[in-house]
Formats: sequence, structure tokens, C-alpha cells
Amino acid sequence: AQTVTQSQPEMSVQEAETVTLSCTYDTSENNYYLFWYKQPPSRQMILVIRQEAYKQQNATENRFSVNFQKAAKSFSLKISDSQLGDTAMYFCAFMIGQGAQKLVFGQGTRLTINP
Amino acid sequence: DAGVIQSPRHEVTEMGQEVTLRCKPISGHDYLFWYRQTMMRGLELLIYFNNNVPIDDSGMPEDRFSAKMPNASFSTLKIQPSEPRDSAVYFCASSLSGDRQPQHFGDGTRLSIL
Repeated sequence: AQTVTQSQPEMSVQEAETVTLSCTYDTSENNYYLFWYKQPPSRQMILVIRQEAYKQQNATENRFSVNFQKAAKSFSLKISDSQLGDTAMYFCAFMIGQGAQKLVFGQGTRLTINP
Repeated sequence: DAGVIQSPRHEVTEMGQEVTLRCKPISGHDYLFWYRQTMMRGLELLIYFNNNVPIDDSGMPEDRFSAKMPNASFSTLKIQPSEPRDSAVYFCASSLSGDRQPQHFGDGTRLSIL
């Protein structure tokens, strides 16, 4: 079975700082996909970024980037120039490829950006 | 484009009552998922459908829970009878088929069973 572990229950940084959220996963599969979702206090689940396991290049989306280390089964999220609106729960999620479509989520990291 | 639409947004009811949660997926999406979120257990997948057919209901906690998808644009999750431990936020999500397709979530229903 696949598992996803987020070892940091809570983090707090000052506005404009860079912060990195950790995520590790366990799988014997070779074809899979990784996602980071954001859940602000409004409760929506918003896709932040995704990474295909077969791609060596790390995904980036504006201020958000990942450090994907396949051998170490690590998938961290870096937020640069953090903003107050980045305050949210962040969930790492794993999906097996080949059409399985099921997401397995980590327990989440509560990130607070302080003014 | 309209996203995934869930109703109601909040539901408060007494133990033993029947509860029905509703979901309209994004048009054209052929996968639909129901999740439950609690502080203790995080986000759990309850059941998912492909082209209106249930594919995996192994996450449904017990027989009190049932889900249906009568057509491509509507799904329900029903709890009968409800219990206080069913209190949670229930999310519906939909996606296109194919690898790397992300799931798009609704705003969730916060359910409180008194």
C-alpha cells in the first residue's frame, strides 16, 4: 500500500521569506504522480503543483516549486516570497499511474505566514 | 467554467436522521470521488465512480453509508441512520480520465450530527 508522510504538522514564517514543506512517500510503483494541494481557511482544496515521476525536471508554478528526489522518495514544496494569502493547510498527495486515479493524501502541514 | 458544486454547504441534524449530500461534477469529467475529512483521520477516500459506475467503495465506513451516481452530472452520498461520529467535512471531487489528471474539489459540506 502507498503511504504519504508529512512530518511537519505546523510551520510559521514571516512574509516574504522562503519556506519548504516536506513530504515523503512509500511505494513500489515506478509510474506515479505527485501533487500538492492547498486548503485555505475557506476550506476549498486547490491544486498548487503536480509532478510526474518519470520527469527528472522539477515542476514550478510561479512562486511554487518542488524538489523531487525519486530515489529518496521525497517531494518537498518550496514557496518563495511568501505572502499572507499563502496561509493554509498544505497536503501532499500521491497517485499511481496507469489510470488508477486514486489519490492518497498526507496528514497536512499547517502553514502560517506572519506580517 | 463552473467548478464542482456541492450542497448543502452546512448541515446540522440530529442523530438517527437521514442525511443526503449532493454533488454536481465538472461537465465532461468522467471520474467522481467522495472524501471525508476529519482532524483525526485526515482526508479519506470513501468511494469513486467512473462513467457513473462505482469502481471502489472500500473506503465506505459501513452499511449506513451509500452513494449513487444516476447520471453524469449528479451524485449523492447518503447516511442513514446518522451518528455523531459521522460529523466531518465531506468533499466531492471530479477529474478527467488519464494519467496526471488532477482532481478538482468542491467546497465541501460541513456535517454536524448532534
